[in-house]
Amino acid sequence: GAGVSQSPSNKVTEKGKDVELRCDPISGHTALYWYRQSLGQGLEFLIYFQGNSAPDKSGLPSDRFSAERTGGSVSTLTIQRTQQEDSAVYLCASSLVSPGQMAQYFGPGTRLLVL
Amino acid sequence: GESVGLHLPTLSVQEGDNSIINCAYSNSASDYFIWYKQESGKGPQFIIDIRSNMDKRQGQRVTVLLNKTVKHLSLQIAATQPGDSAVYFCAEITSYDKVIFGPGTSLSVIP
Repeated sequence: GAGVSQSPSNKVTEKGKDVELRCDPISGHTALYWYRQSLGQGLEFLIYFQGNSAPDKSGLPSDRFSAERTGGSVSTLTIQRTQQEDSAVYLCASSLVSPGQMAQYFGPGTRLLVL
Repeated sequence: GESVGLHLPTLSVQEGDNSIINCAYSNSASDYFIWYKQESGKGPQFIIDIRSNMDKRQGQRVTVLLNKTVKHLSLQIAATQPGDSAVYFCAEITSYDKVIFGPGTSLSVIP
């Protein structure tokens, strides 16, 4: 596609369940980011993938959060044993090269609601 | 710690007037700055960027100014329109590719 896509667009789950969020970056983009945005708040960095390098996981809030990027393209963010405070919009972004060389392009986000 | 922050969390502007959104940063090692616009229910969209070797860059109806002396970044929107209503984020990118977003400013355009 022409832009970054994310699925599902909305996800409602029960506390304690696991969820998987998917990001399809723009084809050829080597850098991929995951962010979390609570209602009316700014962007909270979660994790950064760059090419074949080890990901920067410094933003993951707990060990319930994990992410992988297969084949340098699609990425999945997994939240295990979801809690109500995990409710937020999860945004994915990608860029052609490193973020210091060009801007990131964001997907529409996945709105997660944990009941 | 190092952070990027905005002077005003909300801004209301009359349609047709110019808007100025400000951003302060504290990391002197940052060499690339970006402004994003986020409309309700959507992801942030790139507006304009500027590198540290520049102090001004212009786009269509938008201008970004960078003052490295006082670590200040601003976004100017000329002839503000209702469609400009959104949350605007500044972001700084450090020399080691760390992206730091500011908290955002909500711009409301009064018809």
